[in-house]
Amino acid sequence: NAGVTQTPKFQVLKTGQSMTLQCAQDMNHEYMSWYRQDPGMGLRLIHYSVGAGITDQGEVPNGYNVSRSTTEDFPLRLLSAAPSQTSVYFCASSYSPGRGTEAFFGQGTRLTVV
Amino acid sequence: DAKTTQPNSMESNEEEPVHLPCNHSTISGTDYIHWYRQLPSQGPEYVIHGLTSNVNNRMASLAIAEDRKSSTLILHRATLRDAAVYYCILIGRGGATNKLIFGTGTLLAVQP
Repeated sequence: NAGVTQTPKFQVLKTGQSMTLQCAQDMNHEYMSWYRQDPGMGLRLIHYSVGAGITDQGEVPNGYNVSRSTTEDFPLRLLSAAPSQTSVYFCASSYSPGRGTEAFFGQGTRLTVV
Repeated sequence: DAKTTQPNSMESNEEEPVHLPCNHSTISGTDYIHWYRQLPSQGPEYVIHGLTSNVNNRMASLAIAEDRKSSTLILHRATLRDAAVYYCILIGRGGATNKLIFGTGTLLAVQP
């Protein structure tokens, strides 16, 4: 049981490049989400999904796309990277949060955009 | 959205109990009270959650006020490993509130 796995752990991009951050979970969780954490700040919700084929925007969705074709995977796409997207990105999964279940987080992807 | 208010920082001595407060005066009847913590350079980890009654687990205890407008996370014997940012989060059952939204949390320092 691997939990929540994020790849890559580190990434450096040039401004304007695109990339996909991968997130996979093996707990059959219906709810998955992406957060970003800037230095010295709390986590901010980017996008989330309540099940395969269903996604919605969080607090800071601009510049990011998501899709959820399977229960296990929830990739985050940066279409045209900007220095303002330099951050640590965390993926999380859980059964429905509103049912009082715990969320599991990945170890994070540290992204630098130069 | 129901909001929470926590002190920015707190200090404790090793092996002493720590009481981390959280105010949530606009909590609705179906909101769960969750606590997460984030150790340095790691992702957040679940600590405990409750709805109305006090809760205990291997990591901590959660004391919920009778009117549910405040709660306290209790670490019974702080260790150096408990130094982290602690987040108190309300999660509702409705679509707009059925998500984990982090505030700024409380930075707990543990002195040896």
